[in-house]
Amino acid sequence: DAGVIQSPRHEVTEMGQEVTLRCKPISGHDYLFWYRQTMMRGLELLIYFNNNVPIDDSGMPEDRFSAKMPNASFSTLKIQPSEPRDSAVYFCASSTSGANQPQHFGDGTRLSIL
Amino acid sequence: GQNIDQPTEMTATEGAIVQINCTYQTSGFNGLFWYQQHAGEAPTFLSYNVLDGLEEKGRFSSFLSRSKGYSYLLLKELQMKDSASYLCAVRLRGGYQKVTFGIGTKLQVIP
Repeated sequence: DAGVIQSPRHEVTEMGQEVTLRCKPISGHDYLFWYRQTMMRGLELLIYFNNNVPIDDSGMPEDRFSAKMPNASFSTLKIQPSEPRDSAVYFCASSTSGANQPQHFGDGTRLSIL
Repeated sequence: GQNIDQPTEMTATEGAIVQINCTYQTSGFNGLFWYQQHAGEAPTFLSYNVLDGLEEKGRFSSFLSRSKGYSYLLLKELQMKDSASYLCAVRLRGGYQKVTFGIGTKLQVIP
């Protein structure tokens, strides 16, 4: 079975540019999560969706970040304008409902803002 | 809010046993997960505890004490491939499937 699919795997761009990260969750999963991972802060939850509806976006750093989930099989995380401090690995994860259901992570997007 | 503490780094010898601790301070606890993350890769699920006690899965076991806000991951018969970061994650009641991750413990297995 296909896991969570993220694209691109790597992105290098100059500050001020718009960055769009993409995620396809596992089919049948009704939760989707966006995380950012850095050495200093570890894995931080940015936003998560349930049945395509954003439930908690309190982790989104500022208005430069936005996320959408137009349907059950696709989500985007957009940064506009990007800044060097946004450099990190961004993970998407999905899960089903249920107390003991773990999150399944994509391979991540390694983002470098110059 | 939540406070989750794990040691930053640990070193252990191949073939030995290592225990990685995780303490948390939170209200409304509703489960604890352990994940493994190899360098440059995604986290992968290892274990889940919601009741007090030990859950065993092959060479890996996880323990939980809710009253003490404490969990540990026990790795037996260590292999070189066990060198990775181990992340503890706590879920709260009413938080749907949202979890909060600790910073992770980087384990190095040496020959």
